[in-house]
Amino acid sequence: GENVEQHPSTLSVQEGDSAVIKCTYSDSASNYFPWYKQELGKRPQLIIDIRSNVGEKKDQRIAVTLNKTAKHFSLHITETQPEDSAVYFCAASSDRDDKIIFGKGTRLHILP
Amino acid sequence: DTGVSQNPRHKITKRGQNVTFRCDPISEHNRLYWYRQTLGQGPEFLTYFQNEAQLEKSRLLSDRFSAERPKGSFSTLEIQRTEQGDSAMYLCASSLVAALDEQFFGPGTRLTVL
Repeated sequence: GENVEQHPSTLSVQEGDSAVIKCTYSDSASNYFPWYKQELGKRPQLIIDIRSNVGEKKDQRIAVTLNKTAKHFSLHITETQPEDSAVYFCAASSDRDDKIIFGKGTRLHILP
Repeated sequence: DTGVSQNPRHKITKRGQNVTFRCDPISEHNRLYWYRQTLGQGPEFLTYFQNEAQLEKSRLLSDRFSAERPKGSFSTLEIQRTEQGDSAMYLCASSLVAALDEQFFGPGTRLTVL
């Protein structure tokens, strides 16, 4: 089955700097890669997703890149703000078995 | 508010007791998923339904766990003979058709087994 690895587990960046979170997946059949943000005590919320027919997607300060050959995908947050502090999860899914497999999460701290 | 609701929000029970959780998905969503999340981990897939049909169950779902979605609307997750290792947040999510559509999560039910 699919296995998603996520690094780093904790990341601290100065406010205004960029943050990068990297994930790898094992199943070459995976073709959908969502990213979720979870604030303390709250539900995961989708912030951006990418499908395997594109290599990059951007939404304001957030961008995701996908390298299908290497089975890598990354989340980039630019101009970080205090409200970006949260746990971020990458995930992978395929239309073969229709379930989402999550990484273990990255706790992002934005330092003032 | 994403529209997925779960009840109860918190449940404290003694080891060996049975518990049942309920999930009400977004009304037009025909896919419903159950996940378990323990502290410091990502959500782990447990099972999912398309309408009333349960299509897949994870190996994490022991025979003490059962899920139903009798009319293709709300779903229940029952845990029999609870164990301390069952303590976790149980999350429900729904989507319009398939996992490749955005899954909207509910607020979760936090289970504590004493």
